[in-house]
Amino acid sequence: KQEVTQIPAALSVPEGENLVLNCSFTDSAIYNLQWFRQDPGKGLTSLLLIQSSQREQTSGRLNASLDKSSGRSTLYIAASQPGDSATYLCAVMGFQKLVFGTGTRLLVSP
Amino acid sequence: DGGITQSPKYLFRKEGQNVTLSCEQNLNHDAMYWYRQDPGQGLRLIYYSQIVNDFQKGDIAEGYSVSREKKESFPLTVTSAQKNPTAFYLCASNSGRGYNEQFFGPGTRLTVL
Repeated sequence: KQEVTQIPAALSVPEGENLVLNCSFTDSAIYNLQWFRQDPGKGLTSLLLIQSSQREQTSGRLNASLDKSSGRSTLYIAASQPGDSATYLCAVMGFQKLVFGTGTRLLVSP
Repeated sequence: DGGITQSPKYLFRKEGQNVTLSCEQNLNHDAMYWYRQDPGQGLRLIYYSQIVNDFQKGDIAEGYSVSREKKESFPLTVTSAQKNPTAFYLCASNSGRGYNEQFFGPGTRLTVL
């Protein structure tokens, strides 16, 4: 059974710092990995999708990498801003469904 | 605008009542999903449907039921058999092919009084 773990569970940084969020999964037989952002009381917003054949994807200040063989992904956020404060979730797509981690709650202070 | 809508945003239920949560998408997606989110836990899959008139149980289907009569609609009924229904419910969709991005609705918060 696929299990997804995210470390750290919570992170607090001052504005401007570069930071890395980690995601690990136990079964490397995945179609893709997706990073989401969730604001309190809201739905999930897709940030980046990495196909299983890809190593990384970039969107603006976000960069996500995937090492399928070791079961790891990282989300790199450059020059963090208070507006980046949210919970970040990673999820892996196996056969027909996504399996989610429990998220990293990020707080960026001005 | 293309997207997924869920209604209502907040829902209150008395114990013993069934309630139905609405999910509609205009993305022309084949696959639709229902998740439950509880504090401190990841999203857990309740039911999913890859095609009209077909659906499968997810990891926590007990006490829930769904239908998929139209491609754009996937309502979820929380029955009185669900022992702890208070949670945040999220609907999602994708094109149905495993390589593609999954999109989410804004969610419905259900509270049992």
